[in-house]
Amino acid sequence: DQQVKQNSPSLSVQEGRISILNCDYTNSMFDYFLWYKKYPAEGPTFLISISSIKDKNEDGRFTVFLNKSAKHLSLHIVPSQPGDSAVYFCAARSYNNNDMRFGAGTRLTVKP
Amino acid sequence: DGGITQSPKYLFRKEGQNVTLSCEQNLNHDAMYWYRQDPGQGLRLIYYSQIVNDFQKGDIAEGYSVSREKKESFPLTVTSAQKNPTAFYLCASSPDTDVLNSPLHFGNGTRLTVT
Repeated sequence: DQQVKQNSPSLSVQEGRISILNCDYTNSMFDYFLWYKKYPAEGPTFLISISSIKDKNEDGRFTVFLNKSAKHLSLHIVPSQPGDSAVYFCAARSYNNNDMRFGAGTRLTVKP
Repeated sequence: DGGITQSPKYLFRKEGQNVTLSCEQNLNHDAMYWYRQDPGQGLRLIYYSQIVNDFQKGDIAEGYSVSREKKESFPLTVTSAQKNPTAFYLCASSPDTDVLNSPLHFGNGTRLTVT
């Protein structure tokens, strides 16, 4: 039962260009969404989040967009840097549930 | 520095043996979690604990056990009943499960290989 899906296992972009990572969810009870970044042999680290009352949240080079009607969110990284190369996990949580659901991750490679 | 420490980083066991993975945090967080990561899959919740001496099963608790005797510690035991124990295990914590904007803080994980 994958309630959070990241359909692209990998993405490769050129340094300086925009990276767009996508995430779809099925549970309409989700109202809080997060993106985590993971380097090899390390645990994920929190990157950015968005509440369902918003459709956009920005933090420096990172922007998350939420389209509730489509049950879709995306993470934009502009401009992309080689240090952004990592696996990005999308996660979602509902207000009445204590656990967080994760997607399978997208491996981003930013080429110099 | 505050953080979550998981040990060991790599663990090898023979099939049929129980093994305990350590997780310690000095963030003073109330809630702690164990997740499992397999290739091509998202992180799946095994167990979580909101307070000392209390814990709840996640989606894939079968074959696992936990304890929460201290706020700082949440060890996970992988028992011989777990059919596919080889995986990457991640421990996490958060200040309060009831706070919506409370992202999880993760440890660096333990890779368990059972042969």
